[in-house]
Amino acid sequence: RKEVEQDPGPFNVPEGATVAFNCTYSNSASQSFFWYRQDCRKEPKLLMSVYSSGNEDGRFTAQLNRASQYISLLIRDSKLSDSATYLCVVNNAGNMLTFGGGTRLMVKP
Amino acid sequence: DGGITQSPKYLFRKEGQNVTLSCEQNLNHDAMYWYRQDPGQGLRLIYYSQIVNDFQKGDIAEGYSVSREKKESFPLTVTSAQKNPTAFYLCASTKRQGGDYYGYTFGSGTRLTVV
Repeated sequence: RKEVEQDPGPFNVPEGATVAFNCTYSNSASQSFFWYRQDCRKEPKLLMSVYSSGNEDGRFTAQLNRASQYISLLIRDSKLSDSATYLCVVNNAGNMLTFGGGTRLMVKP
Repeated sequence: DGGITQSPKYLFRKEGQNVTLSCEQNLNHDAMYWYRQDPGQGLRLIYYSQIVNDFQKGDIAEGYSVSREKKESFPLTVTSAQKNPTAFYLCASTKRQGGDYYGYTFGSGTRLTVV
């Protein structure tokens, strides 16, 4: 079983739609959690950290469920520019980041 | 502006040849990392270094070597022992604050192709 699992997609949604991605992780001792965005042939860039109480940044909302070892990302009012691959990232002890395989989002006009 | 610079952007390697990928940062970050990404896959850790003159193997270190002689530099050598080196290589760094590390920053990557 992979340490961090994501549905690879692609998720094809129309502009303005709400879309949610999920991620599960296997290490119950994982300490911190992130969503990164990666555009085609580019490096990953931090989208947002994920906190236990849930957190929001504009149209993006992240949730963490430690009991179920589950992380989610919700994107409201999707824009064409949101098209990218979204990587679920888990930080274990010693600051080793473990990356999920990514979920590809395509927003259509 | 501070950042991480990887070079070259594209690299072609012949069978049996060693090549070195450069990674330089001027962020005064303590730790540096090398990841490999294959198409449609997540990033896998090759090597990391948390302090000058020290480095540790990651999950897929076989066929690779690194050095950390300066805080700013963490070059990766892909040796002929690496049988499937075609991939996208990403360097990252992060600063230590107290006992924790924060703020991973990635370079723009090197795309290595075996010809």
